[in-house]
Amino acid sequence: AQKVTQAQTEISVVEKEDVTLDCVYETRDTTYYLFWYKQPPSGELVFLIRRNSFDEQNEISGRYSWNFQKSTSSFNFTITASQVVDSAVYFCALSEASNFGNEKLTFGTGTRLTIIP
Amino acid sequence: EPEVTQTPSHQVTQMGQEVILRCVPISNHLYFYWYRQILGQKVEFLVSFYNNEISEKSEIFDDQFSVERPDGSNFTLKIRSTKLEDSAMYFCASRRPNQPQHFGDGTRLSIL
Repeated sequence: AQKVTQAQTEISVVEKEDVTLDCVYETRDTTYYLFWYKQPPSGELVFLIRRNSFDEQNEISGRYSWNFQKSTSSFNFTITASQVVDSAVYFCALSEASNFGNEKLTFGTGTRLTIIP
Repeated sequence: EPEVTQTPSHQVTQMGQEVILRCVPISNHLYFYWYRQILGQKVEFLVSFYNNEISEKSEIFDDQFSVERPDGSNFTLKIRSTKLEDSAMYFCASRRPNQPQHFGDGTRLSIL
């Protein structure tokens, strides 16, 4: 069975600091996808990134970067020079490709990030 | 940019009543999903739908729940006889093959 653990329930940092959100996953599949979604106070789920299990290259998108390490089953998310607008709940999620076409998402419990002005 | 649209944004219903939550997925998407999020908790998978049939459902998706794609655009979730514990935010999502799921803004369901 697949499982996603986000051990950090809440994090608060002062604006402009860097912050890393941790995500550890469990799966028996060799092919899977990892995701990060952002849920701002308005409640919607905003897609941030999808990473294939065969692609361990780190990715950077503006102030956001992701570190995928298969050896430790982790997919951590770093925000550089944080801004107040980054305040949200961030969910890490996993889908297994073995169930062809379905790819349901299993979410972690989320990390509430508060950026203090 | 095309979006997944959910209506209503907030639904208040008496316990025991039937409720239908509506979703319009993105038009060229083939896979459809419902998830729910009880207040303050994680997002949980309910059901996935492809080629006009359910492809997988979770333990939460019991006989009180059903899904339908009555025409080429709508995707509905029906709860037959609502319970207090059905109060949650319900998210619809859709995707194309080999693409990530895109979520609607959710329907907040409040059972009184």
